[in-house]
Amino acid sequence: DTGVSQNPRHKITKRGQNVTFRCDPISEHNRLYWYRQTLGQGPEFLTYFQNEAQLEKSRLLSDRFSAERPKGSFSTLEIQRTEQGDSAMYLCASSRLRSTGRVETQYFGPGTRLLVL
Amino acid sequence: KQEVTQIPAALSVPEGENLVLNCSFTDSAIYNLQWFRQDPGKGLTSLLLIQSSQREQTSGRLNASLDKSSGRSTLYIAASQPGDSATYLCAVRRNYGQNFVFGPGTRLSVLP
Repeated sequence: DTGVSQNPRHKITKRGQNVTFRCDPISEHNRLYWYRQTLGQGPEFLTYFQNEAQLEKSRLLSDRFSAERPKGSFSTLEIQRTEQGDSAMYLCASSRLRSTGRVETQYFGPGTRLLVL
Repeated sequence: KQEVTQIPAALSVPEGENLVLNCSFTDSAIYNLQWFRQDPGKGLTSLLLIQSSQREQTSGRLNASLDKSSGRSTLYIAASQPGDSATYLCAVRRNYGQNFVFGPGTRLSVLP
């Protein structure tokens, strides 16, 4: 399978616990994005990487959230001291920035659904 | 700040009908607009991508139009089928590499 993969697909945790999600982008894609989607809403941008550099972070990304892409391949999104309001679907997408400066379309993974009890 | 709205929020039609989904955005300075499909509990599947210089794109029974100056796009689905039942999301991108700003989606049910 050459698409974007995310693990785990589902996570149930208790309030106050830490959780970590992983995203494996399409192999030749140098850009990686994280979005959050709550029920009945469209996805909201959280952050994106170009290779290993985190270039932009949304105001939605509080201090409890941290994302990394250490080798410019897979990425992790960690939420510390989870709150019930963190319950959502966390989507990862990847794309390719060409040498011409053109960014191709984003391809989305299946998402990780988080439920904080 | 770019805002994207979609009308209607939900739509239920009998199989075979042609239908139109609407998307509006507040800032016309977009790089492109994309329509996605999302099945319940799943990720997003790209349907059609329209660059800012284009007026429409077609793929099979789907046709998307873009009127950048008025901040509108429509997705036309011809001869709807029960398998078309899903949420349809519209998203705009402002410039190279910027994230998408999504609308809330239109939840479509096509009844057999």
